[in-house]
Amino acid sequence: QKEVEQNSGPLSVPEGAIASLNCTYSDRGSQSFFWYRQYSGKSPELIMFIYSNGDKEDGRFTAQLNKASQYVSLLIRDSQPSDSATYLCAVRGYSTLTFGKGTMLLVSP
Amino acid sequence: GAVVSQHPSRVICKSGTSVKIECRSLDFQATTMFWYRQFPKQSLMLMATSNEGSKATYEQGVEKDKFLINHASLTLSTLTVTSAHPEDSSFYICSARAQAYRRDRGIYGYTFGSGTRLTVV
Repeated sequence: QKEVEQNSGPLSVPEGAIASLNCTYSDRGSQSFFWYRQYSGKSPELIMFIYSNGDKEDGRFTAQLNKASQYVSLLIRDSQPSDSATYLCAVRGYSTLTFGKGTMLLVSP
Repeated sequence: GAVVSQHPSRVICKSGTSVKIECRSLDFQATTMFWYRQFPKQSLMLMATSNEGSKATYEQGVEKDKFLINHASLTLSTLTVTSAHPEDSSFYICSARAQAYRRDRGIYGYTFGSGTRLTVV
């Protein structure tokens, strides 16, 4: 059974700090990896995706992938209160996405 | 970027009635659509995968006769919750996969609708 594990949090960081969100997955055949942000009562919105080992940067966000360790992370630099949300890690196998339970991030002013 | 329109956003219905939720891809053709359900403080759980013109594939534990999925065109999929009960109350979200990955249009393969909050009383 494919599993995606995330620490439920909450992860609390002060405004301006770096938030580090982690995710591990069980299926070595997973092909691509996604980070979604979900505000309470809203649908998830895509932040980043990554296919290859290493880092991928987009603005304040950096996704990191280590397939050997089956680990993917998301770094948020200069965290803002508006970043407070639940962050979902999703892993794609052949065609479907498997989601983790999400990590709640709280950024305090 | 790719847009998926989902309606209604919120619905309250009486126990025993049926509710239809629509999911439309607005600027791309979706060969595959996914239906998820999310209970409070839980992750998204895939209910079924629908491919245009064929029967949906349901995940284990999801009753196909209760959750009817129709994907009659490349831009529209519907989920009908039949004979709804209070335990069916949840947040239902559709997701569409584009026919082709078009990075220049911001289509990365999976786009979510805005979700439907179903409350069965």
